Amino acid sequence: DAKTTQPPSMDCAEGRAANLPCNHSTISGNEYVYWYRQIHSQGPQYIIHGLKNNETNEMASLIITEDRKSSTLILPHATLRDTAVYYCIVRVSLSGNTPLVFGKGTRLSVIA
Amino acid sequence: DTEVTQTPKHLVMGMTNKKSLKCEQHMGHRAMYWYKQKAKKPPELMFVYSYEKLSINESVPSRFSPECPNSSLLNLHLHALQPEDSALYLCASSHQGYSNQPQHFGDGTRLSIL
Repeated sequence: DAKTTQPPSMDCAEGRAANLPCNHSTISGNEYVYWYRQIHSQGPQYIIHGLKNNETNEMASLIITEDRKSSTLILPHATLRDTAVYYCIVRVSLSGNTPLVFGKGTRLSVIA
Repeated sequence: DTEVTQTPKHLVMGMTNKKSLKCEQHMGHRAMYWYKQKAKKPPELMFVYSYEKLSINESVPSRFSPECPNSSLLNLHLHALQPEDSALYLCASSHQGYSNQPQHFGDGTRLSIL
């Protein structure tokens, strides 16, 4: 079973920051937080991941609380192309082939 | 654009047909995965291959038969499928033996069983 809880849906105005929350209160010390998104009719796309420090890349920023029980994915300037289902996944990374366990995700709608 | 290529993109088959789904990657990944995604549901793991050997089978019915002929290819052989097997089948790959490495997905094969 998925170890994360996300709101089922969110709206965001185009050009504004989209802040997607994720609760993972039972996360273990060796588990990472991964974010993927799935645009309609495409495969899941990797966005970002982190252990305990905040992370930023060209797509997004990941903010993890100090107790690691929750995190927020930030899309700084949302566009219509960011409309997708966003999955927050907790994953043990002891080896490289640990499967992903997807929860229901958050359906983000970016509105013009 | 995805670095994991899946063919065909769409497949319609009868319950008595035999067909195969193909997945290819050239990123040097030694772990490869099959996931199944029903409409409006999240992807669910089916199989994991590690160094071309099956390491995880999530109690998938035998009418689905995976094969990993080499480090770049992953096949899923289909036989005597049921209408409820209609779904999007996703292939993914990742580095083996490295922690924190993300999985890269293809865009899937959309399968319809008549």
